Amino acid sequence: QAGLTQPPSVSMGLRQTATLTCTGNNNNVDFQGAIWLQQHQGHPPKLLSYRSNDRPSGISERFSASRSGNTASLTITGLQSEDEADYYCSSWDRSLNAWVFGGGTKLTVL
Amino acid sequence: QVQLVESGGGVVQPGRSLRLSCAASGFTFTSYVIHWVRQAPDKGLEWVTFIQKDGGSKFYADSVKGRFTISRDTSKNTLYLQMNSLRAEDTAMYYCAREFDGFDMWGQGTMVTVS
Repeated sequence: QAGLTQPPSVSMGLRQTATLTCTGNNNNVDFQGAIWLQQHQGHPPKLLSYRSNDRPSGISERFSASRSGNTASLTITGLQSEDEADYYCSSWDRSLNAWVFGGGTKLTVL
Repeated sequence: QVQLVESGGGVVQPGRSLRLSCAASGFTFTSYVIHWVRQAPDKGLEWVTFIQKDGGSKFYADSVKGRFTISRDTSKNTLYLQMNSLRAEDTAMYYCAREFDGFDMWGQGTMVTVS
């Protein structure tokens, strides 16, 4: 099943802003929006945002998501060392009747 | 305590079967869709399957269709994944994840190695 497209890696400096992208199509991201997950090495994923721009309680305001057409974005402001992790987007695909994931972006905080 | 706990993983030979369990606690099991998601070593997340809240429709990734079966026991608040005809490429950490505005809760996972 075709997945969503994410850049494999992004590197930004401490206290800077990182924007991660996730590209799908009109059967998934454009139709349903995307969710974003953060995963630290050796841990299960954690939900950061849903419906493209809502945050679960307890998630820092430094994380904000948006969507424009087929592309979803996650912006992390004021980067901290603990933000270094893998980030995944995901969406329900109405044509595949399946959830699809992006390949993940490894964020390095320099 | 609100949690999902997976169990049943292990090392299995190619072609053999294994059944995973996901025990839910602290919330009303039948009010949520719960998924299986897997992650091969040093790879990304891959959605596997889910069953509707009413226990009706089941959806599977193409990679497991015809080999894996999801089921649940509401009296035990437990979700199962029966995995048959296992292949080396099924080697992964298997997570169960609750769906509520996205995958809002995850278990710690259970490792399956096909070798």
